[in-house]
Amino acid sequence: AQSVTQPDIHITVSEGASLELRCNYSYGATPYLFWYVQSPGQGLQLLLKYFSGDTLVQGIKGFEAEFKRSQSSFNLRKPSVHWSDAAEYFCAVGASDDYKLSFGAGTTVTVRA
Amino acid sequence: GAGVSQSPRYKVAKRGQDVALRCDPISGHVSLFWYQQALGQGPEFLTYFQNEAQLDKSGLPSDRFFAERPEGSVSTLKIQRTQQEDSAVYLCASSLGGQGPEAFFGQGTRLTVV
Repeated sequence: AQSVTQPDIHITVSEGASLELRCNYSYGATPYLFWYVQSPGQGLQLLLKYFSGDTLVQGIKGFEAEFKRSQSSFNLRKPSVHWSDAAEYFCAVGASDDYKLSFGAGTTVTVRA
Repeated sequence: GAGVSQSPRYKVAKRGQDVALRCDPISGHVSLFWYQQALGQGPEFLTYFQNEAQLDKSGLPSDRFFAERPEGSVSTLKIQRTQQEDSAVYLCASSLGGQGPEAFFGQGTRLTVV
């Protein structure tokens, strides 16, 4: 069975500083990996996804993520955060021959001025 | 429509009441999913439709939960005799199908059972 671990429950970062959110997954084959963002009272917005190919993927809002098979990781990064990046971030894993997504518990990002 | 639309956005139900949550998927999307997100947790899979066929309901927590999509478009998630542990955000997602697990999510319905 596939599973996702997001080790950091809460991260606080200063505006303009860099951000990295960790995600580790457990899956037998090559996974489909996703990062979603959820602002308060909102649904999930897809930031980026990895299916195959280049292991460094670019997403919306200036985010990027790197797939590292050897570490079973798919960490999300942003070089310079904006106050509007304060939200909850979810990593999810799926499979090419499946339809379900398994989500991590999420990381809450607080941005201080 | 432009995105997945869910209604109502908020629902307060007294314990024991029945509730119905509606999902309007993106037009033309074959696949439809329901997820349940408890407070402070990630979403968890409830059920999956391909057109009008419910192909997987393994995530439904009890027989009080029932989902339908009779014409292969709009879907309704019904919860009978609600209990406090049913309080959560219920997210609907849709996709074209055949593209792996990628899906587009609605804003969710926050259900509070008092």
